[in-house]
Amino acid sequence: DTAVSQTPKYLVTQMGNDKSIKCEQNLGHDTMYWYKQDSKKFLKIMFSYNNKELIINETVPNRFSPKSPDKAHLNLHINSLELGDSAVYFCASSPFTNTEAFFGQGTRLTVV
Amino acid sequence: AQSVTQPDIHITVSEGASLELRCNYSYGATPYLFWYVQSPGQGLQLLLKYFSGDTLVQGIKGFEAEFKRSQSSFNLRKPSVHWSDAAEYFCAVAISSSNTGKLIFGQGTTLQVKP
Repeated sequence: DTAVSQTPKYLVTQMGNDKSIKCEQNLGHDTMYWYKQDSKKFLKIMFSYNNKELIINETVPNRFSPKSPDKAHLNLHINSLELGDSAVYFCASSPFTNTEAFFGQGTRLTVV
Repeated sequence: AQSVTQPDIHITVSEGASLELRCNYSYGATPYLFWYVQSPGQGLQLLLKYFSGDTLVQGIKGFEAEFKRSQSSFNLRKPSVHWSDAAEYFCAVAISSSNTGKLIFGQGTTLQVKP
């Protein structure tokens, strides 16, 4: 079974659209994250949730809204997509903060 | 601000040769340290981690890393590289005093393996 799974794997959409990426982990972890990997492969954290509560919002535009309906899920909704949002988005989880994170396969978002 | 530097953007080694990937961090105290590997089109897989204790840590796939406090380094090594090791390698730190779990990543090193 996949530990951290994201859907979809690829997402191509037009500017101005709204899209969501879903993430689920079956590891029983308390903490979940969204990371963004840009075209130069640089990884940066966007959000961190612990027990469904937001603990990091790393100066991400408010067009990005994470939602955690329960500890096992952390979805990412993006409004009014822009060309600069094109990237690979990774969901991750960890048993608690300050331990290793387990990453999903990533969602490659292309905005055209 | 905390930062992680991987000085080598791209490294090419011959199959069977030894490998060392460099990682330096900037942080006042001892951070938690990690190495991840990303194969093309894949997510990140944890190779190894250092929290405390023995400064030489063993990981999966025959990798090891050594924490050197005096040099603020956490270099990754492998004695004999296999063609399947070709991938992107990321060093990361978590701030031990933080309770956020935030990982700060280096810019990555692309490893190419020659037959």
